[in-house]
Amino acid sequence: QVQLVQSGAEVKKPGASVKVSCKASGYSFSSYGITWVRQAPGQGLEWMGWISTYKGDTNFAQKLRGRVTMTTDTSTSTAYMELRSLRSDDTAVYYCARGDTPAAGIDYWGQGTLVTVSS
Amino acid sequence: SYELTQPPSVSVSPGQTASITCSGDKLGDKYVYWYQQKPGQSPVLVIYEDNKRPSGIPERFSGSNSGNTATLTISGTQAMDEADYYCQAWDSSHVVFGGGTKLTVL
Repeated sequence: QVQLVQSGAEVKKPGASVKVSCKASGYSFSSYGITWVRQAPGQGLEWMGWISTYKGDTNFAQKLRGRVTMTTDTSTSTAYMELRSLRSDDTAVYYCARGDTPAAGIDYWGQGTLVTVSS
Repeated sequence: SYELTQPPSVSVSPGQTASITCSGDKLGDKYVYWYQQKPGQSPVLVIYEDNKRPSGIPERFSGSNSGNTATLTISGTQAMDEADYYCQAWDSSHVVFGGGTKLTVL
């Protein structure tokens, strides 16, 4: 069965960086892209961006451009999302999810990774 | 930037029909996706491409999209359907989510 397993919770100080991993299994990793979505405590879903696992093409939310990097390692079927210059309002649960294209729906989601930014 | 507007909350009695709307400019020209999220859990896709149900989603979930409004309809609502629901669409190379609707079954 399709599974996306994310790395564990992180606590970071303002200004630091965080890198979240997402290991996929149960399907051909290079056949689907990976979308990243975050959710601040008690808030709605916010799209962060999408990466093609086949070509490495990326598409980012405008407000995060310049602070976020998305990469994949096809040899281990793992996707990574790095967010730099962390601020307190980056505190959120970060989800990786499978998305055929950036415009398509998201059919499988990881369990989420809580990133807390606090001094 | 493009916006999708959902009512913050909808209430329904068990066994009745719940309708959750999602409004956006010319939304009917775009595909709409709907997600269900229960407390402490990851979202689950319940409707894709306006009105299609993924495998494993009960038939009581249906969707429509026309004009400026998409609607998620839950027929014969059950207590287990109580959750937050989010709509999603694509505009100008960005994914946009609605603000979410809390469905209460009482």
